Amino acid sequence: GQQLNQSPQSMFIQEGEDVSMNCTSSSIFNTWLWYKQDPGEGPVLLIALYKAGELTSNGRLTAQFGITRKDSFLNISASIPSDVGIYFCAGRLNYGGATNKLIFGTGTLLAVQP
Amino acid sequence: DGGITQSPKYLFRKEGQNVTLSCEQNLNHDAMYWYRQDPGQGLRLIYYSQIVNDFQKGDIAEGYSVSREKKESFPLTVTSAQKNPTAFYLCASQRAASGRARADTQYFGPGTRLTVL
Repeated sequence: GQQLNQSPQSMFIQEGEDVSMNCTSSSIFNTWLWYKQDPGEGPVLLIALYKAGELTSNGRLTAQFGITRKDSFLNISASIPSDVGIYFCAGRLNYGGATNKLIFGTGTLLAVQP
Repeated sequence: DGGITQSPKYLFRKEGQNVTLSCEQNLNHDAMYWYRQDPGQGLRLIYYSQIVNDFQKGDIAEGYSVSREKKESFPLTVTSAQKNPTAFYLCASQRAASGRARADTQYFGPGTRLTVL
Protein backbone atom coordinates (compact mmCIF):
# COMPACT_ATOMS: atom_id res chain seq x y z
CA GLY A 1 0.00 0.00 0.00
CA GLN A 2 1.04 3.57 -0.59
CA GLN A 3 2.46 5.63 2.26
CA LEU A 4 3.36 9.26 2.45
CA ASN A 5 6.90 10.52 3.00
CA GLN A 6 6.88 12.20 6.40
CA SER A 7 9.87 13.96 7.90
CA PRO A 8 11.63 14.11 10.17
CA GLN A 9 11.28 10.62 11.61
CA SER A 10 11.99 11.92 15.10
CA MET A 11 12.73 15.15 16.91
CA PHE A 12 14.22 15.76 20.33
CA ILE A 13 13.75 19.35 21.45
CA GLN A 14 13.76 21.57 24.50
CA GLU A 15 10.56 22.91 25.98
CA GLY A 16 9.67 26.24 24.40
CA GLU A 17 11.15 25.49 20.99
CA ASP A 18 9.11 25.56 17.82
CA VAL A 19 8.65 22.39 15.78
CA SER A 20 8.05 21.83 12.10
CA MET A 21 7.27 18.59 10.25
CA ASN A 22 6.02 17.87 6.76
CA CYS A 23 4.58 15.28 4.43
CA THR A 24 5.03 14.90 0.73
CA SER A 25 3.36 12.70 -1.83
CA SER A 26 3.71 11.83 -5.49
CA SER A 27 -0.08 11.96 -5.72
CA ILE A 28 -2.44 14.92 -5.52
CA PHE A 29 -4.64 14.90 -2.44
CA ASN A 30 -8.00 16.55 -1.85
CA THR A 31 -7.73 16.39 1.92
CA TRP A 32 -4.86 16.53 4.38
CA LEU A 33 -5.28 15.53 8.02
CA TRP A 34 -2.90 15.73 10.95
CA TYR A 35 -3.23 13.36 13.92
CA LYS A 36 -1.39 12.96 17.22
CA GLN A 37 -0.99 9.57 18.88
CA ASP A 38 -0.06 9.11 22.53
CA PRO A 39 1.64 5.81 23.47
CA GLY A 40 -0.82 2.91 23.49
CA GLU A 41 -3.73 5.07 22.35
CA GLY A 42 -5.55 5.78 19.12
CA PRO A 43 -4.67 8.83 16.99
CA VAL A 44 -6.55 12.01 17.75
CA LEU A 45 -7.41 14.44 14.97
CA LEU A 46 -5.61 17.78 15.31
CA ILE A 47 -6.28 19.67 12.10
CA ALA A 48 -8.14 18.95 8.84
CA LEU A 49 -7.36 20.78 5.58
CA TYR A 50 -9.63 20.70 2.54
CA LYS A 51 -8.37 23.35 0.12
CA ALA A 52 -5.03 23.97 -1.57
CA GLY A 53 -3.23 26.83 0.15
CA GLU A 54 -5.43 26.58 3.24
CA LEU A 55 -3.71 27.59 6.46
CA THR A 56 -5.46 26.49 9.65
CA SER A 57 -4.57 26.91 13.31
CA ASN A 58 -5.60 25.01 16.40
CA GLY A 59 -4.08 26.72 19.42
CA ARG A 60 -0.30 26.44 19.13
CA LEU A 61 -0.63 24.22 16.08
CA THR A 62 -0.69 25.50 12.51
CA ALA A 63 -0.99 23.37 9.39
CA GLN A 64 -1.01 24.20 5.71
CA PHE A 65 -2.28 22.43 2.61
CA GLY A 66 0.40 22.87 -0.05
CA ILE A 67 -0.41 24.74 -3.24
CA THR A 68 0.64 21.78 -5.36
CA ARG A 69 -1.72 19.57 -3.30
CA LYS A 70 1.17 17.14 -2.88
CA ASP A 71 2.41 18.31 0.48
CA SER A 72 1.43 19.63 3.89
CA PHE A 73 3.26 20.86 6.95
CA LEU A 74 2.50 21.10 10.65
CA ASN A 75 4.09 23.63 12.97
CA ILE A 76 3.95 23.56 16.76
CA SER A 77 4.95 26.75 18.50
CA ALA A 78 6.38 27.03 22.02
CA SER A 79 6.40 23.29 22.65
CA ILE A 80 5.44 21.90 26.05
CA PRO A 81 6.05 18.45 27.58
CA SER A 82 2.53 17.22 26.76
CA ASP A 83 3.26 17.68 23.06
CA VAL A 84 5.22 14.43 23.27
CA GLY A 85 3.85 11.74 20.97
CA ILE A 86 3.78 10.56 17.39
CA TYR A 87 2.36 12.90 14.77
CA PHE A 88 0.87 11.44 11.61
CA CYS A 89 -0.19 13.10 8.42
CA ALA A 90 -2.87 11.51 6.27
CA GLY A 91 -4.12 12.33 2.81
CA ARG A 92 -7.23 11.44 0.89
CA LEU A 93 -6.86 10.95 -2.85
CA ASN A 94 -10.42 11.52 -3.93
CA TYR A 95 -13.94 11.85 -2.71
CA GLY A 96 -16.40 9.01 -2.87
CA GLY A 97 -16.43 5.22 -3.06
CA ALA A 98 -13.28 3.16 -2.85
CA THR A 99 -11.08 6.19 -3.32
CA ASN A 100 -12.21 7.55 0.04
CA LYS A 101 -9.38 5.74 1.82
CA LEU A 102 -6.79 7.68 3.78
CA ILE A 103 -3.09 7.23 3.11
CA PHE A 104 -0.96 7.69 6.23
CA GLY A 105 2.54 9.00 6.72
CA THR A 106 5.08 6.99 8.69
CA GLY A 107 4.91 9.36 11.64
CA THR A 108 7.16 11.85 13.43
CA LEU A 109 8.14 11.01 16.98
CA LEU A 110 8.39 14.16 19.08
CA ALA A 111 10.20 14.22 22.42
CA VAL A 112 10.20 17.40 24.50
CA GLN A 113 12.65 17.87 27.34
CA PRO A 114 11.44 20.12 30.16
CA ASP B 1 -20.85 10.12 25.54
CA GLY B 2 -20.42 9.52 21.82
CA GLY B 3 -17.36 7.72 20.62
CA ILE B 4 -15.64 4.61 19.40
CA THR B 5 -14.87 1.76 21.75
CA GLN B 6 -12.56 -1.16 21.18
CA SER B 7 -12.25 -4.20 23.36
CA PRO B 8 -10.28 -5.69 24.83
CA LYS B 9 -7.38 -3.26 25.31
CA TYR B 10 -4.86 -6.12 25.49
CA LEU B 11 -5.30 -9.56 23.98
CA PHE B 12 -3.08 -12.59 24.10
CA ARG B 13 -3.52 -15.50 21.76
CA LYS B 14 -1.84 -18.80 21.21
CA GLU B 15 -0.44 -19.42 17.79
CA GLY B 16 -2.98 -21.11 15.51
CA GLN B 17 -6.05 -19.67 17.22
CA ASN B 18 -8.55 -17.28 15.70
CA VAL B 19 -9.42 -14.19 17.71
CA THR B 20 -12.06 -11.47 17.25
CA LEU B 21 -11.51 -7.81 18.08
CA SER B 22 -14.52 -5.68 18.87
CA CYS B 23 -15.23 -2.18 17.55
CA GLU B 24 -18.40 -0.29 18.40
CA GLN B 25 -19.40 3.29 17.63
CA ASN B 26 -22.42 5.30 18.71
CA LEU B 27 -21.68 8.26 16.44
CA ASN B 28 -24.14 7.09 13.77
CA HIS B 29 -21.24 6.99 11.31
CA ASP B 30 -21.71 5.18 8.01
CA ALA B 31 -18.13 4.13 7.33
CA MET B 32 -15.84 2.06 9.54
CA TYR B 33 -12.22 1.01 9.11
CA TRP B 34 -9.65 -1.36 10.58
CA TYR B 35 -5.95 -0.52 10.58
CA ARG B 36 -2.86 -2.32 11.76
CA GLN B 37 0.07 -0.46 13.29
CA ASP B 38 3.53 -1.94 13.77
CA PRO B 39 6.33 -0.26 15.74
CA GLY B 40 7.82 2.67 13.89
CA GLN B 41 5.36 2.40 11.04
CA GLY B 42 2.29 4.22 9.87
CA LEU B 43 -1.20 2.80 9.74
CA ARG B 44 -2.01 0.16 7.17
CA LEU B 45 -5.60 -0.47 6.10
CA ILE B 46 -6.93 -4.00 6.62
CA TYR B 47 -10.63 -3.73 5.77
CA TYR B 48 -13.22 -1.01 5.49
CA SER B 49 -16.98 -0.80 5.25
CA GLN B 50 -18.94 2.09 3.81
CA ILE B 51 -22.38 0.70 4.54
CA VAL B 52 -24.03 -2.10 6.49
CA ASN B 53 -23.65 -5.57 4.96
CA ASP B 54 -20.85 -4.40 2.68
CA PHE B 55 -17.09 -4.28 3.16
CA GLN B 56 -13.95 -4.03 1.06
CA LYS B 57 -10.41 -5.35 1.39
CA GLY B 58 -7.72 -2.85 2.24
CA ASP B 59 -4.02 -3.13 1.56
CA ILE B 60 -3.26 -6.02 3.93
CA ALA B 61 -6.48 -8.08 4.17
CA GLU B 62 -4.88 -11.54 3.97
CA GLY B 63 -5.43 -13.51 7.16
CA TYR B 64 -8.23 -11.24 8.39
CA SER B 65 -12.01 -11.26 8.09
CA VAL B 66 -14.76 -8.79 9.04
CA SER B 67 -18.52 -8.46 9.17
CA ARG B 68 -20.85 -5.45 9.21
CA GLU B 69 -24.26 -6.69 10.29
CA LYS B 70 -25.06 -3.53 12.23
CA LYS B 71 -24.18 0.08 11.55
CA GLU B 72 -22.55 0.51 14.94
CA SER B 73 -20.41 -2.62 14.94
CA PHE B 74 -17.48 -3.77 12.80
CA PRO B 75 -15.66 -6.76 14.40
CA LEU B 76 -12.33 -7.94 13.03
CA THR B 77 -11.28 -11.59 13.18
CA VAL B 78 -7.58 -12.37 13.05
CA THR B 79 -7.34 -15.87 11.70
CA SER B 80 -4.63 -18.46 12.04
CA ALA B 81 -3.74 -17.71 8.42
CA GLN B 82 -2.28 -14.34 9.45
CA LYS B 83 1.45 -15.04 9.59
CA ASN B 84 2.48 -12.19 11.85
CA PRO B 85 -0.54 -11.08 13.87
CA THR B 86 1.21 -9.39 16.80
CA ALA B 87 0.43 -5.68 16.37
CA PHE B 88 -1.65 -2.74 17.56
CA TYR B 89 -5.07 -2.72 15.89
CA LEU B 90 -7.02 0.49 15.42
CA CYS B 91 -10.64 0.92 14.44
CA ALA B 92 -11.93 4.17 12.96
CA SER B 93 -15.24 5.57 11.78
CA GLN B 94 -16.35 8.39 9.53
CA ARG B 95 -19.72 10.08 9.25
CA ALA B 96 -20.20 9.66 5.53
CA ALA B 97 -18.38 7.41 3.13
CA SER B 98 -17.95 10.15 0.57
CA GLY B 99 -15.76 12.35 2.72
CA ARG B 100 -16.98 15.42 0.89
CA ALA B 101 -18.15 17.44 3.83
CA ARG B 102 -15.66 19.16 6.08
CA ALA B 103 -16.88 17.14 9.05
CA ASP B 104 -16.25 13.81 7.36
CA THR B 105 -12.91 12.91 8.80
CA GLN B 106 -11.91 9.65 10.45
CA TYR B 107 -12.00 9.30 14.20
CA PHE B 108 -10.15 6.51 15.95
CA GLY B 109 -10.84 4.18 18.84
CA PRO B 110 -8.30 3.56 21.62
CA GLY B 111 -6.87 0.44 19.98
CA THR B 112 -6.32 -3.23 20.89
CA ARG B 113 -2.84 -4.61 21.33
CA LEU B 114 -2.74 -8.24 20.19
CA THR B 115 0.16 -10.44 21.19
CA VAL B 116 0.57 -13.96 19.86
CA LEU B 117 2.45 -16.25 22.23
